[in-house]
Amino acid sequence: GNSVTQMEGPVTLSEEAFLTINCTYTATGYPSLFWYVQYPGEGLQLLLKATKADDKGSNKGFEATYRKETTSFHLEKGSVQVSDSAVYFCALTEGTSGTYKYIFGTGTRLKVLA
Amino acid sequence: GAVVSQHPSWVICKSGTSVKIECRSLDFQATTMFWYRQFPKQSLMLMATSNEGSKATYEQGVEKDKFLINHASLTLSTLTVTSAHPEDSSFYICSAPPLRTGGPEQYFGPGTRLTVT
Repeated sequence: GNSVTQMEGPVTLSEEAFLTINCTYTATGYPSLFWYVQYPGEGLQLLLKATKADDKGSNKGFEATYRKETTSFHLEKGSVQVSDSAVYFCALTEGTSGTYKYIFGTGTRLKVLA
Repeated sequence: GAVVSQHPSWVICKSGTSVKIECRSLDFQATTMFWYRQFPKQSLMLMATSNEGSKATYEQGVEKDKFLINHASLTLSTLTVTSAHPEDSSFYICSAPPLRTGGPEQYFGPGTRLTVT
């Protein structure tokens, strides 16, 4: 079946450091890929997405490229801030309109120190 | 942007009682909504797909008689945890794809934390 594997956390970085959170997936078809962020006490918010191979999703300084050859969708940010501290989830969906289901990775907790 | 709300945000109940959680799409319609549960420091696990006007579809291993789902309208789905036990304590999250887009993107509610004592 389909699955998503994320690097285990927590990841602790100093402010302005470079961030990479690895995500790889297994899928039988051509999934859409997502990164969601969950701030403490809040629900999931869409951070970025990519719907086909070689697409790059970007938002708020975060980027991820859909790599079909390596089945990866690694999240990167050049300079993290304290406010980026949260849990980051990689996810995929497959299906047709109205039947999409999400499969989430285990989440990676990021802590950014001032 | 699209907003999904959940009510209550947290609830404590005694073992053996039932608890109802509401999921509402505030500014869009959704024929399908999804219910997840999230254990501490773990990922979201899909429990069931709520379908407006028809029965919910449950994932393997989820007891349909314990987790009753009703999709009463295009903006409301409810999850009732019946005869709750401490092991049902969890964070329950719903999501909904906007009817107008037809794409894979979904909007998530803020979650409901259930504690069964």
